[in-house]
Amino acid sequence: GDSVTQMEGPVTLSEEAFLTINCTYTATGYPSLFWYVQYPGEGLQLLLKATKADDKGSNKGFEATYRKETTSFHLEKGSVQVSDSAVYFCALTTIQGAQKLVFGQGTRLTINP
Amino acid sequence: DSGVTQTPKHLITATGQRVTLRCSPRSGDLSVYWYQQSLDQGLQFLIQYYNGEERAKGNILERFSAQQFPDLHSELNLSSLELGDSALYFCASSVAGTAGLAPDTQYFGPGTRLTVL
Repeated sequence: GDSVTQMEGPVTLSEEAFLTINCTYTATGYPSLFWYVQYPGEGLQLLLKATKADDKGSNKGFEATYRKETTSFHLEKGSVQVSDSAVYFCALTTIQGAQKLVFGQGTRLTINP
Repeated sequence: DSGVTQTPKHLITATGQRVTLRCSPRSGDLSVYWYQQSLDQGLQFLIQYYNGEERAKGNILERFSAQQFPDLHSELNLSSLELGDSALYFCASSVAGTAGLAPDTQYFGPGTRLTVL
């Protein structure tokens, strides 16, 4: 079945550091890929998405590129802020999967000032 | 604010009891999805409704059921509750959400935290 694997957390960085959170996927169909973020005590917010190979999703300084050849969708940000501290989820949907989101296990990110 | 509302925010109950979680989708969205977030299972899809009809089922227990009403709000009913049902339950909505079409973006509500004692 479809699955998403994220790098193990927690991840702790200093402010202004470079961030990478790895995400790889397995899908029977041709997936759309998403990054969601969950701030403490809140629900999930869509951070960015990409629907076809080589698409780059971007938002709030975060970027991720849909790499079909490596089945990856790594999240990056050039300079993190304390306010970026949250749990980040990589997810996919497929047309065959009836629109349900399949999530990775989440990566907890803490940014220290 | 995603525009998806869920009530109640917190629910504390005892084993064996039954509870109902409510979700109102964003204005104009026809699909509602329910997800469970627990420490051991992570985020898992439970069930989807589209315009009042069940569209897809995931890892939903037989003790759980859901429905979507004519005004498009949805309810998730959990019965014979067990300690392991303690989790955060999210509702999400999207414009369409039909298999065979390009995936919609799903917008999530703030969740209902269920604690079973």
